[in-house]
Amino acid sequence: DTGVSQDPRHKITKRGQNVTFRCDPISEHNRLYWYRQTLGQGPEFLTYFQNEAQLEKSRLLSDRFSAERPKGSFSTLEIQRTEQGDSAMYLCASSFASGTENTGELFFGEGSRLTVL
Amino acid sequence: QKEVEQNSGPLSVPEGAIASLNCTYSDRGSQSFFWYRQYSGKSPELIMSIYSNGDKEDGRFTAQLNKASQYVSLLIRDSQPSDSATYLCAVAKFSGGYNKLIFGAGTRLAVHP
Repeated sequence: DTGVSQDPRHKITKRGQNVTFRCDPISEHNRLYWYRQTLGQGPEFLTYFQNEAQLEKSRLLSDRFSAERPKGSFSTLEIQRTEQGDSAMYLCASSFASGTENTGELFFGEGSRLTVL
Repeated sequence: QKEVEQNSGPLSVPEGAIASLNCTYSDRGSQSFFWYRQYSGKSPELIMSIYSNGDKEDGRFTAQLNKASQYVSLLIRDSQPSDSATYLCAVAKFSGGYNKLIFGAGTRLAVHP
């Protein structure tokens, strides 16, 4: 399968623990996005990369959230000292961007669902 | 003001009718607009993109764009129960020299037989 894959699909953790999610994008895609989605809401932008460069991190995101894409391929999203409000679906998406443009056709993974007890 | 606004619905239409979904956006500089469909428990998938004022048709779907009014819509003709899903409007927003996609909260569509 050459789609976007995310791991783990489900994570249950206790408040205060650290969690890490991994995303493997479509291989020829240079742009990678992380979004967070809660029930009844649309995907909320968290951060994105073009190759290994992190282009932007949402101002709404606390310092407990960090993301990396060290070699321009897979990416990790780490949440430190989790809080109950972090419970959500974390979606990864990838696309091909030529320069600064993006066709907008994001291909999403199945998501990683986080439950913080 | 939210960057991308949609009525949350649910929008309920009978099978065979036209479903009309609307979206407004705040950034006048936005040039690219998209409609994604999300089935319950699944990830979003792209169904339409539109870049110029006017209409764009693809099968039963028509996207409409009015940049002066900052308004995007999606029409679904001959609605089918399989069209029941949440429809997300997304707008490409330039920031720091690159563009990223910002999504609305989505409109839930229910097509009943």
